Amino acid sequence: KNQVEQSPQSLIILEGKNCTLQCNYTVSPFSNLRWYKQDTGRGPVSLTIMTFSENTKSNGRYTATLDADTKQSSLHITASQLSDSASYICVVSASTGNQFYFGTGTSLTVIP
Amino acid sequence: DVKVTQSSRYLVKRTGEKVFLECVQDMDHENMFWYRQDPGLGLRLIYFSYDVKMKEKGDIPEGYSVSREKKERFSLILESASTNQTSMYLCASSLSTGYGYTFGSGTRLTVV
Repeated sequence: KNQVEQSPQSLIILEGKNCTLQCNYTVSPFSNLRWYKQDTGRGPVSLTIMTFSENTKSNGRYTATLDADTKQSSLHITASQLSDSASYICVVSASTGNQFYFGTGTSLTVIP
Repeated sequence: DVKVTQSSRYLVKRTGEKVFLECVQDMDHENMFWYRQDPGLGLRLIYFSYDVKMKEKGDIPEGYSVSREKKERFSLILESASTNQTSMYLCASSLSTGYGYTFGSGTRLTVV
């Protein structure tokens, strides 16, 4: 069964600290993996997209990694800011069919 | 940038009403999707469409129908709204599976 699991479910960190969010998946055949940021009351916005051959992709203070062998991805946030408070959703797409598989997200709260 | 526009940010409807949620995208994308998002459950696919007049059921289609008469517009219809349909509804579009989603800002529907 194709699944995407994220951890932790929620996280609270101090402003300026780093954090890492995890995404494990069983989607096969794998096409790509995206991390989205969703602010409260808004639609998700894409942060990074990674294909099978990519190990690391950065977008400002956000760095995503992908290990296609272990089917794991992480999103690392450096020097967190209050505006990083949001839900972060991992989405994996399969290369057959027209399917996207969503994790349930990690809720991040950055406190001053 | 692709823009996905949902017609309403907030809606309050009465039980039994027929409800229309509209979604328009401006980049000629083939695929359009409707999701609902509930706390702890993540994003769940209601319906998707890969072409005009084509539709496919997602994971939770019961109580919903859709219409795609034009490529740019995908409507979600609640034939007889019920309180358990209170949720955040997100529309998304994509060029194809490999390209990921662009989401609308969401419609928060409350059924009373």
